[in-house]
Amino acid sequence: SQTIHQWPATLVQPVGSPLSLECTVEGTSNPNLYWYRQAAGRGLQLLFYSVGIGQISSEVPQNLSASRPQDRQFILSSKKLLLSDSGFYLCACHQGANSPLHFGNGTRLTVT
Amino acid sequence: TQLLEQSPQFLSIQEGENLTVYCNSSSVFSSLQWYRQEPGEGPVLLVTVVTGGEVKKLKRLTFQFGDARKDSSLHITAAQPGDTGLYLCAGRGSNYKLTFGKGTLLTVNP
Repeated sequence: SQTIHQWPATLVQPVGSPLSLECTVEGTSNPNLYWYRQAAGRGLQLLFYSVGIGQISSEVPQNLSASRPQDRQFILSSKKLLLSDSGFYLCACHQGANSPLHFGNGTRLTVT
Repeated sequence: TQLLEQSPQFLSIQEGENLTVYCNSSSVFSSLQWYRQEPGEGPVLLVTVVTGGEVKKLKRLTFQFGDARKDSSLHITAAQPGDTGLYLCAGRGSNYKLTFGKGTLLTVNP
């Protein structure tokens, strides 16, 4: 079965600093990969998704970017963090039309 | 953009009570999934419903997909403190992306 690793688990960064969150997937190949952000324990907002290496689609305009340098690696980045970037960031993967999303345990980002 | 409305947003009940949470949309979904999320963790899939009118049971949890595939409900019988969590519904439209509702935060008090 698929396992998703996310790190770090928590992160406190000052406004204006860069960001790099990494997600790696085990147990599958050529997955669809997703970055979600969750505010205050509520619904999930899709930020980016990727159907293959180097293929990134952005769902909302924002201060963040994503890259997929390898099949099972998905990176979320920012050059300069904003206070509004604080939140719980979740990486997810799935394969197949009706297959479920498998989530990592998330990164809690606090921008101060 | 397909939207999913979940209700109620918050629900606090006593152990042993029954409850129903709802997930509604004006859009048709090819399938709908329910997830449960505990604090500090990612959501975990409970069930996927695909066929309009479908009913699935998972121990004390009963899931129903509306006939028109626009809505769904989750009924919990004799709730237990271990049922506490954020319940999220997610609909899959004509593409492979899932649209999530904002969730129902359930607290079951012992």
